[in-house]
Amino acid sequence: AQSVAQPEDQVNVAEGNPLTVKCTYSVSGNPYLFWYVQYPNRGLQFLLKYITGDNLVKGSYGFEAEFNKSQTSFHLKKPSALVSDSALYFCAVRDLNTNAGKSTFGDGTTLTVKP
Amino acid sequence: ETGVTQTPRHLVMGMTNKKSLKCEQHLGHNAMYWYKQSAKKPLELMFVYSLEERVENNSVPSRFSPECPNSSHLFLHLHTLQPEDSALYLCASSQKQGNEQFFGPGTRLTVL
Repeated sequence: AQSVAQPEDQVNVAEGNPLTVKCTYSVSGNPYLFWYVQYPNRGLQFLLKYITGDNLVKGSYGFEAEFNKSQTSFHLKKPSALVSDSALYFCAVRDLNTNAGKSTFGDGTTLTVKP
Repeated sequence: ETGVTQTPRHLVMGMTNKKSLKCEQHLGHNAMYWYKQSAKKPLELMFVYSLEERVENNSVPSRFSPECPNSSHLFLHLHTLQPEDSALYLCASSQKQGNEQFFGPGTRLTVL
């Protein structure tokens, strides 16, 4: 079984400050991890993914995520937040060791960046 | 634009109507998905098609009927829906099942 948790429903940061959106996961095999962003009245947009290799993954719009195997976490980060980053963020996980290939999404975290 | 289009963008229907949602992807992907997104609820995976074969059907009521005539098109046929079916319906595609997904803008469905 696989699962993903986003422990914060809401994250508020001031523009220019660093931001972190948290995600922890559980899989029986090796994880394939994703972050997506959803702006109002839009579908989800793929931001970045981790399969293997460097634990720090860089993605779109200046976002990056750090894979931590011991803590089973994949937190999304950005050094300097923009007001336009305000959106709903989803973490997703897939177990690489299964053939089903189905991703499980977290419940989402609403990020609000204030000027 | 993500390369995935959905029509219509908004739909209002009565409980006795029959309607269809359409999704088209221009990315050459082999897998397509239907999701339901309700307010204050997690994203719900409804159906998955891989190489035009349905590979996932997550206990979705029979009033929702998917169709995948080819790898670029996906439909969701709706009939005798309930008000609780009102939601944003999202289509997505991926190069193969399990890879990162590219989502359409969604169809906002309201059932009266």
